[in-house]
Order: sequence, then structure tokens, then C-alpha cells
Amino acid sequence: GAGVSQTPSNKVTEKGKYVELRCDPISGHTALYWYRQSLGQGPEFLIYFQGTGAADDSGLPNDRFFAVRPEGSVSTLKIQRTERGDSAVYLCASSFSREYEQYFGPGTRLTVT
Amino acid sequence: AQSVTQPDIHITVSEGASLELRCNYSYGATPYLFWYVQSPGQGLQLLLKYFSGDTLVQGIKGFEAEFKRSQSSFNLRKPSVHWSDAAEYFCAVVKAAGNKLTFGGGTRVLVKP
Repeated sequence: GAGVSQTPSNKVTEKGKYVELRCDPISGHTALYWYRQSLGQGPEFLIYFQGTGAADDSGLPNDRFFAVRPEGSVSTLKIQRTERGDSAVYLCASSFSREYEQYFGPGTRLTVT
Repeated sequence: AQSVTQPDIHITVSEGASLELRCNYSYGATPYLFWYVQSPGQGLQLLLKYFSGDTLVQGIKGFEAEFKRSQSSFNLRKPSVHWSDAAEYFCAVVKAAGNKLTFGGGTRVLVKP
């Protein structure tokens, strides 16, 4: 079946611009996660949704980062006033709420110039 | 807070030789443990997981891992590596279902012909 999809696969933006990254989870998965992976590092947690609500947003680095999941399926990660330090691969994962396994998408590579 | 350490940043192994990747975790109770593999330009693929029971777990692609509570370790092994095993490997822990994964820094495996 279809896995987690993320669009765009690559995004280049200028410092100070606004970007949106989209995640389409596996059908039926109620839990959705965003992670950020900087070069040479392991993924770091950003935010977790259970249904439409953010159950844990403790990983968001500052108030420039925001994510929504209005209908409990697709999620959008929004970054305002991008900085060069935001350059990374942004990974999305989904799971059934009572399962431990998370299934990852291919990621969006964000480059801020 | 839980943490995961992968002491080896890079490992080079000859094709056909055995491979062992180390993972140590720090957590107050027995966490749920995972190994993921990430090939260049690809998302994270789950190799295997440990929740409870038999401490030696089998995964996909001929990998296995052993949980050792006394050493807080969850090392990944493969008896005979193939050139296609060249990738980055991440150990991860989660404390409960519907919680964030905490990843180690990763080990990059290079396979010599």
C-alpha cells in the first residue's frame, strides 16, 4: 500500500522567507510525527499529532515553527522568517496510535540560502 | 531524559565479513528499542524492534539485534554483509506507544569489495 509521502522533496528558499512542508500519512494512521535531521546527525523530534491536535510540541525550536493537521490526516509544517540554520531534512512519520512502530516518509530537504 | 549513544560514527567492513553496530541507551526503565537504516536519499526503514520477551530479535535483510539489560545495550549484527548494506544505521528508543522516538547519532557503514 501507499507509504508516507512528503512534498516537496527539495525546497530552496532565501533567508527570511516563509515555507510550508507537507506530509501525507499512511491511510488510517492517527498519529503523525515531524522530525528534523541535520547533516551528519540523527533525526530530532519536533512535534507529534494525535488526530487533529498537537499532543506534544516540545521539540519545536522556537515560535517560527508551527504545524497543523486540521482534518486529522495531512499535516503541514510551517516555518516563518527562515534562517540558514533551518537547513535540514524534515522527516514525517505516522503510526497507529497504540503502536510503537513509526513509518517514515522520504523527507523534504530544505535549504535556506 | 532518555538518550541513545552510538559510539562508532563510521565503520568500514569488507563484503562477506560480519558487522556489529553498537547502541547504548540511558533510560529509567526498559524502553522500546528500534534499529532503522537510511540509504542515501531515502527515508528511514525499520530493520527490527524489541519490545519484550526473547532478547535476540530477528529483522529484515538478515539483521539481528540483542538486548542486554545489564549493559543497557541493543547491538545490531549481521553475519555476512553485502555491498547493498552500505548505509547509515540509527538506533532509537521510545518510552511508550504514541511517543516520540529518540535517535542516536547514527553509524555510517562503508562496504569494501
